[in-house]
Amino acid sequence: DAKTTQPPSMDCAEGRAANLPCNHSTISGNEYVYWYRQIHSQGPQYIIHGLKNNETNEMASLIITEDRKSSTLILPHATLRDTAVYYCIVSYYFGNEKLTFGTGTRLTIIP
Amino acid sequence: SAVISQKPSRDICQRGTSLTIQCQVDSQVTMMFWYRQQPGQSLTLIATANQGSEATYESGFVIDKFPISRPNLTFSTLTVSNMSPEDSSIYLCSVTPSADQETQYFGPGTRLLVL
Repeated sequence: DAKTTQPPSMDCAEGRAANLPCNHSTISGNEYVYWYRQIHSQGPQYIIHGLKNNETNEMASLIITEDRKSSTLILPHATLRDTAVYYCIVSYYFGNEKLTFGTGTRLTIIP
Repeated sequence: SAVISQKPSRDICQRGTSLTIQCQVDSQVTMMFWYRQQPGQSLTLIATANQGSEATYESGFVIDKFPISRPNLTFSTLTVSNMSPEDSSIYLCSVTPSADQETQYFGPGTRLLVL
């Protein structure tokens, strides 16, 4: 699996968009980009995933660069409940493969 | 998605004892995994729980220490054997639903403290 690089921490004001970057310069053509978050040692929560195209769901948007070497997770209107550690993971056939978690980004939403 | 429950949610155990953690899913799944999260650390995969056969362990984890069972498509157990304080961690199961095989979902975790 390709390795990922994320900033260790970020702050964002409540109500603003939170943009979390992830570098995955060694990603292979068939590897997906997945985002999870973990709120205070609860089980990780799936957020979104994508291969090449940008994706959006009710939680977030995922923007993948054209060369696929980096991506950005966007939480459009951050709330205090979005304070968590966010993990960017790349993997083949994600559901059937083990997940290699990095250290993630600790996002703090500031009132 | 899938609804995943783990029992117990937390426990405090004495060194040298063993604890069995259960993972139950409300729907059929193709894959079940067990992860460990040590204090202040990220998640590490322990093993893949295979239905009807021995689990597949990651480097650094052995069956004698972490025996795993998976008798059917919706249930698995992880036993932490002969515990020491270094086993104090959160243990999490994750599953890939048969109806959504591109995604893994995690249970709430079992917090274990070994004294």
